[in-house]
Amino acid sequence: GAGVSQSPRYKVAKRGQDVALRCDPISGHVSLFWYQQALGQGPEFLTYFQNEAQLDKSGLPSDRFFAERPEGSVSTLKIQRTQQEDSAVYLCASSLEGVGTNEKLFFGSGTQLSVL
Amino acid sequence: DQQVKQNSPSLSVQEGRISILNCDYTNSMFDYFLWYKKYPAEGPTFLISISSIKDKNEDGRFTVFLNKSAKHLSLHIVPSQPGDSAVYFCAASPTEYGNKLVFGAGTILRVKS
Repeated sequence: GAGVSQSPRYKVAKRGQDVALRCDPISGHVSLFWYQQALGQGPEFLTYFQNEAQLDKSGLPSDRFFAERPEGSVSTLKIQRTQQEDSAVYLCASSLEGVGTNEKLFFGSGTQLSVL
Repeated sequence: DQQVKQNSPSLSVQEGRISILNCDYTNSMFDYFLWYKKYPAEGPTFLISISSIKDKNEDGRFTVFLNKSAKHLSLHIVPSQPGDSAVYFCAASPTEYGNKLVFGAGTILRVKS
């Protein structure tokens, strides 16, 4: 596809369950970002990859959150032992160049996670 | 600590009139500003940007104004169209960090026909 693809579109998890969210960026895009958007708020930065290297994970809220991009393309955001406060839309975005170039981000439609 | 603030949760405008969306920021290190537009069930899409070396940038019906001394920017849409109805997010970053963006909470724009 031409855009950033995220799956699943919706995920319902029981509290304490582990979840994995997938992001397929635009082919050839160097940079990949994960953002978390709570209801009624703007997206908040979680982590950033340049190719396969995770250069910034300062936004991850706890050590229950883990992201990887092992081959520099597809990325997975994993949340262990989910809590109700993890309920949010998780957005993935990619850009052609690396951070520092002011390249615009292309966002996926997001995964809406609901933790019951 | 909200570094980017959009104080108007919603705005309603008549078709054909001007829409003005406002954004304030607190971090003086911010050097690059963007507006993103979001329709329901879709991700945000880039609309327009401005660097701090400019005070205005125009793209068709969309113009962004930047007032660095007031740490304020605004998005003008003229004329407004029903298809412009969406959530508009203001975002900012220090140039060094490029697209590691800090977003405002968004303003819902409704354009009535």
